[in-house]
Amino acid sequence: QSVLTQPPSVSAAPGQKVTISCSGSTSDIGNNYVSWYQQLPGTAPKFLIYESTKRPSGIPDRFSGSKSGTSATLGITGLQTGDEADYYCGAWDSSLSSWVFGTGTKLTVL
Amino acid sequence: EVQLVESGGDLAQPGRSLRLSCVVSGFTFGDYGISWFRQAPERRLEWVGRIARKASGGATQYAASVKGRFSISRDDSKSTAYLQMNSLKTEDTAVYFCAREAWSGLDSWGQGTLVTVSS
Repeated sequence: QSVLTQPPSVSAAPGQKVTISCSGSTSDIGNNYVSWYQQLPGTAPKFLIYESTKRPSGIPDRFSGSKSGTSATLGITGLQTGDEADYYCGAWDSSLSSWVFGTGTKLTVL
Repeated sequence: EVQLVESGGDLAQPGRSLRLSCVVSGFTFGDYGISWFRQAPERRLEWVGRIARKASGGATQYAASVKGRFSISRDDSKSTAYLQMNSLKTEDTAVYFCAREAWSGLDSWGQGTLVTVSS
């Protein structure tokens, strides 16, 4: 089972901007949409970005997504302490017929 | 309001079985596929398997780590998905989540149920 690659951790000060990368392959990110999830400590994941760039209703526009080739990026601007969480990317893998998720990135707002 | 509620998590000995349930409300269960994920303590989310909606054939797929031991089923009349876990191993210890499959992601998640495999 393949896994998408994310940096283990990122950090920035309140009010600043941070980006989280997600690297995959042609069978997953390269040919399918990417989604992003926020997991606050002790809670279930929350749907943050879908179709690589779109936000579900209720998600503030401080969160953005982009995709290029076999990589994707989550951007968060105007960082708040409440954004401290683990962030995961995910995509459908067409060759495995399975969901593949990233290794997860812990965001610390200093 | 869309809700998914898992249950059935427990302490089990290695080699034994457990069945988890995922009861949903707030949407037409039969219109959606359901995936199961798990998260061991201090570890990343791991996809376990999925079941497609019946209109798409109701097919199931599994992660290599559980294939042959775990099986997923659904009862649309009860708005419930099941995860049958057999031949449990200590490394199956985790919080198990069910999630609704949307077009390009998992858009709603349950709160999770804890499975502990230990002698």
